[in-house]
Amino acid sequence: DSGVTQTPKHLITATGQRVTLRCSPRSGDLSVYWYQQSLDQGLQFLIQYYNGEERAKGNILERFSAQQFPDLHSELNLSSLELGDSALYFCASGVTDTQYFGPGTRLTVL
Amino acid sequence: DQQVKQNSPSLSVQEGRISILNCDYTNSMFDYFLWYKKYPAEGPTFLISISSIKDKNEDGRFTVFLNKSAKHLSLHIVPSQPGDSAVYFCAARDYSGNTPLVFGKGTRLSVIA
Repeated sequence: DSGVTQTPKHLITATGQRVTLRCSPRSGDLSVYWYQQSLDQGLQFLIQYYNGEERAKGNILERFSAQQFPDLHSELNLSSLELGDSALYFCASGVTDTQYFGPGTRLTVL
Repeated sequence: DQQVKQNSPSLSVQEGRISILNCDYTNSMFDYFLWYKKYPAEGPTFLISISSIKDKNEDGRFTVFLNKSAKHLSLHIVPSQPGDSAVYFCAARDYSGNTPLVFGKGTRLSVIA
């Protein structure tokens, strides 16, 4: 158990809809990282927050946004969903060189 | 453009033999490399890392070798065990330490008893 929790585990929704994925980092970790793993793709970095502030941005679509709250949990919001957004979404906490990953949320867009 | 490449999507090895997983990178600014292991329905877990000032790092059955001139690293698992069956991701970051990790697509290792 990494100490990072993600909810929900599975999410099935329709194209055009909006969903929110939630992540609670390990106790004491200030950074949260979000990744997307699509079929046959590696882990694509989306965005990093550190103590409530955006720290780094990767290949995150404009339809996606994230935030980190004062209690350090983070939410990833995905809107106007497309079929191609179906993927595993992981959150991690820790520092760059030692990241602890949650179990992921599997998003299926129908 | 894939900066970290794992060209073998899968690998099968017999129990007790050596598993060698390969990773190539293109960005010469990368100077710290990591391997993560992922079981189904779980998130990746850190396995072993190596800094560019070294060419080898060992941790039990796991050894990572780095060839900077070839921009190539490899993970050796000796001896391989059925519990090693998982997807292995290679990752890299640049010298600043302030940029995110860049991951490869992963190699699925199957260790056959």
